Amino acid sequence: NAGVTQTPKFQVLKTGQSMTLQCAQDMNHNSMYWYRQDPGMGLRLIYYSASEGTTDKGEVPNGYNVSRLNKREFSLRLESAAPSQTSVYFCASSEGWGPPYEQYFGPGTRLTVT
Amino acid sequence: QKEVEQNSGPLSVPEGAIASLNCTYSDRGSQSFFWYRQYSGKSPELIMSIYSNGDKEDGRFTAQLNKASQYVSLLIRDSQPSDSATYLCAVITSGTYKYIFGTGTRLKVLA
Repeated sequence: NAGVTQTPKFQVLKTGQSMTLQCAQDMNHNSMYWYRQDPGMGLRLIYYSASEGTTDKGEVPNGYNVSRLNKREFSLRLESAAPSQTSVYFCASSEGWGPPYEQYFGPGTRLTVT
Repeated sequence: QKEVEQNSGPLSVPEGAIASLNCTYSDRGSQSFFWYRQYSGKSPELIMSIYSNGDKEDGRFTAQLNKASQYVSLLIRDSQPSDSATYLCAVITSGTYKYIFGTGTRLKVLA
């Protein structure tokens, strides 16, 4: 099993460009998450999908949109990239929503917006 | 007060020593607690989960939970240079079931 996979691994965008980060999991998990990680800020939740067909905002949703394409795939879209969105983005999944379910992370996408 | 607090470190310990990492949380109703290890440039990797008061051991790792005092700790016995990483504490809060991460403690094991 590959676990959680993310594409691309690295990306450089110019301000105003758009892009979609892809995430897929092969663990038959119901819940999926998008985080960003910035130095000194820790992991912050952008959006999550508690189950297929639902999505909800996390702590820092502004400037992002998500799509839960099916049970396996959860994508994150930046419509008009800004330098403040330079970060490392992690996708995660868990068997279910809330306790006691553990989250498992993908390898991350390192995004730079110039 | 932050919801999950960790000392950022670095915590330096000699090889073979016990490393003790601490985490406090603010939501008294929290039920699930996790420790992740994150190597520089890599993603967080789950190493321990704990749900009940007391100790839980897995190899060289022991997680300790004290709900009355609202802290959870991770002990790493016989520390190795390969244990050098940032350790993240995570808590699932009650009510909204938010999964909150601390900012992590950087551990350096000196050979």
